[in-house]
Amino acid sequence: RKEVEQDPGPFNVPEGATVAFNCTYSNSASQSFFWYRQDCRKEPKLLMSVYSSGNEDGRFTAQLNRASQYISLLIRDSKLSDSATYLCVVNKGVSSASKIIFGSGTRLSIRP
Amino acid sequence: GAVVSQHPSWVICKSGTSVKIECRSLDFQATTMFWYRQFPKQSLMLMATSNEGSKATYEQGVEKDKFLINHASLTLSTLTVTSAHPEDSSFYICSASIWEGTNQPQHFGDGTRLSIL
Repeated sequence: RKEVEQDPGPFNVPEGATVAFNCTYSNSASQSFFWYRQDCRKEPKLLMSVYSSGNEDGRFTAQLNRASQYISLLIRDSKLSDSATYLCVVNKGVSSASKIIFGSGTRLSIRP
Repeated sequence: GAVVSQHPSWVICKSGTSVKIECRSLDFQATTMFWYRQFPKQSLMLMATSNEGSKATYEQGVEKDKFLINHASLTLSTLTVTSAHPEDSSFYICSASIWEGTNQPQHFGDGTRLSIL
């Protein structure tokens, strides 16, 4: 079993739709969690950190469920520019020396 | 926000050439940087952890004599792919982390696309 698992998609949704991804992690001791987006042939860019209480940034909402060991990302009112691969990232610790684990990514395609 | 610069962006060279890639943290000091490799349609794979002033820590299966890492200062880490061959062609990305509130997310360089002919 992979340490971090994501549905690879692709998710193909119309502009304006709401879409949600889940990501599960296997190490219950994991400390910090992030969502990144990666455009084709580009480096990953931090989208948002995921906090225990859940957090929102504009159209994006991230949630953490430690009991079930998953994090989620909700995108409301999706835009064409949201088309990308979304990477779930789990850090086993909080310091920079801790190894981070990437999910394989979920591909999202927004159609006009 | 934190900026990580990577150079060069593209490299095309002949088999057998050694290629050096630089990773710089532009507005912060990074005692630890990370080097990743990503093949097409695959996820990022951590190659090694670069530690300022000490030897890098390599992931299992990554040849340390093939991928030389030097982290001579708090703002610069270099990855040298020695005697590169076509199978080394890939997207190489470095990252560094900085505290942002209670978390320490990774920030990535632009990546280096390496093509070995």
